[in-house]
Amino acid sequence: SQTIHQWPATLVQPVGSPLSLECTVEGTSNPNLYWYRQAAGRGLQLLFYSVGIGQISSEVPQNLSASRPQDRQFILSSKKLLLSDSGFYLCAWAPGPMGNTIYFGEGSWLTVV
Amino acid sequence: GESVGLHLPTLSVQEGDNSIINCAYSNSASDYFIWYKQESGKGPQFIIDIRSNMDKRQGQRVTVLLNKTVKHLSLQIAATQPGDSAVYFCAEFGNTGGFKTIFGAGTRLFVKA
Repeated sequence: SQTIHQWPATLVQPVGSPLSLECTVEGTSNPNLYWYRQAAGRGLQLLFYSVGIGQISSEVPQNLSASRPQDRQFILSSKKLLLSDSGFYLCAWAPGPMGNTIYFGEGSWLTVV
Repeated sequence: GESVGLHLPTLSVQEGDNSIINCAYSNSASDYFIWYKQESGKGPQFIIDIRSNMDKRQGQRVTVLLNKTVKHLSLQIAATQPGDSAVYFCAEFGNTGGFKTIFGAGTRLFVKA
C-alpha cells in the first residue's frame, strides 16, 4: 500500500532563517506531488505541484521554492522566512500521470517568530 | 474554485441528527469530485468520491449528491456522531490548468452531544 510521510511535524523558526520541509511517498511510482499551505481555520492553498523529477509548477508568487530531486521525494524550501510564512503545510500525492484522488501527509506546523 | 483566505462557514448539529454539507464547484468541465474530512491538526482524509456520470453515491453513513445543472455537491452524514466533528472539503478534478485538484473553502462541522 502507498504511504506518505512528511517532516518535521512541528517547526519554530526565526524570521530570516532558512526552511526545509521534506516529503516522501512509498509504494507507488511516478506520482504527482503537491505542497499546500493552510492558514489557521482557513482553506487549502496550492503552492507547488510536480508531475516528474525536476518538474515544478508554482501556483503563487512567494518566498518559497520546491524541488523534486527523486521520483518520490518533494522538498519545500525557503532561504529567508517571513512571518507570513507561518501555517500548516501539507504534502500530498496523486497517481500519475492523470492524478486523480489526492492523498495527504500528516502536515507540518511552521511558526515563524 | 479555490477559496483561499476565507473564514470557514460552520455547521452545528445535534448528535444523532443528519448533517448536510454543501459545496458549489466552479468548473462545469470537472468530471470527478471528492469529499475530504480534516480533523484538527491532521491532514485531510478521503471520505467518498463521485464521478460526473453519477448523481448519487453512498458509503458507510455518508452519501454524496451531485447536481451538475447547478454545479452543486453535497455530503450527507447520517446519525452524526461526535467523531464526525471536523472540517469538510469538497474537491473537483478536471484538466484545468494542469493535473491538480481544486478545493472548496471547507465547512466546519460541530457535533453537540
